[in-house]
Amino acid sequence: DAGVIQSPRHEVTEMGQEVTLRCKPISGHNSLFWYRQTMMRGLELLIYFNNNVPIDDSGMPEDRFSAKMPNASFSTLKIQPSEPRDSAVYFCASRATSGGTDTQYFGPGTRLTVL
Amino acid sequence: SQELEQSPQSLIVQEGKNLTINCTSSKTLYGLYWYKQKYGEGLIFLMMLQKGGEEKSHEKITAKLDEKKQQSSLHITASQPSHAGIYLCGAVTYGSSNTGKLIFGQGTTLQVKP
Repeated sequence: DAGVIQSPRHEVTEMGQEVTLRCKPISGHNSLFWYRQTMMRGLELLIYFNNNVPIDDSGMPEDRFSAKMPNASFSTLKIQPSEPRDSAVYFCASRATSGGTDTQYFGPGTRLTVL
Repeated sequence: SQELEQSPQSLIVQEGKNLTINCTSSKTLYGLYWYKQKYGEGLIFLMMLQKGGEEKSHEKITAKLDEKKQQSSLHITASQPSHAGIYLCGAVTYGSSNTGKLIFGQGTTLQVKP
């Protein structure tokens, strides 16, 4: 099993540019989660999807952030325009079922630096 | 304020020593997860506890759940340099239990001196 795949692993961009982070969940998993990790705020849930449908986006910081899941094997997190305070490690995680307490498996993360 | 508090925030131990990390919730726990993270890498799932009094072990790592105290502890016996990293607890609380949304503590950074 390849696990959760994220790309790119590292991204350096300039303020104002659009950034797109990508995630491929574990095959057969029905739920997908986007998290952001910073030293100051720790690991924060941004948004999650069940069966490709966004369920809770209350953690999305601003309208500059958007996420899509066009099919069961792909999701994107977009920041437009990016700002230096968006610098963080962004993780994607997936879970087998839509509810309950199944284990979430994390990808390796994308380290984003906005200059 | 944090819904999940971990203590200590950081820990340095000599190789071979035992150690304990605690995770306390301000809400009733429904499911409690322990993950380990190495710098620059993703989170690796260690264990999940659901029932009060439940205890699970994996190699030299043991986790317990005290539902009454809304607390979990992670105990490492005879620590090794390979145990070094950041340990995070995640919890499913009653408010979100039907969707399994996890909230995380701030993490405990463990260093093991050879």
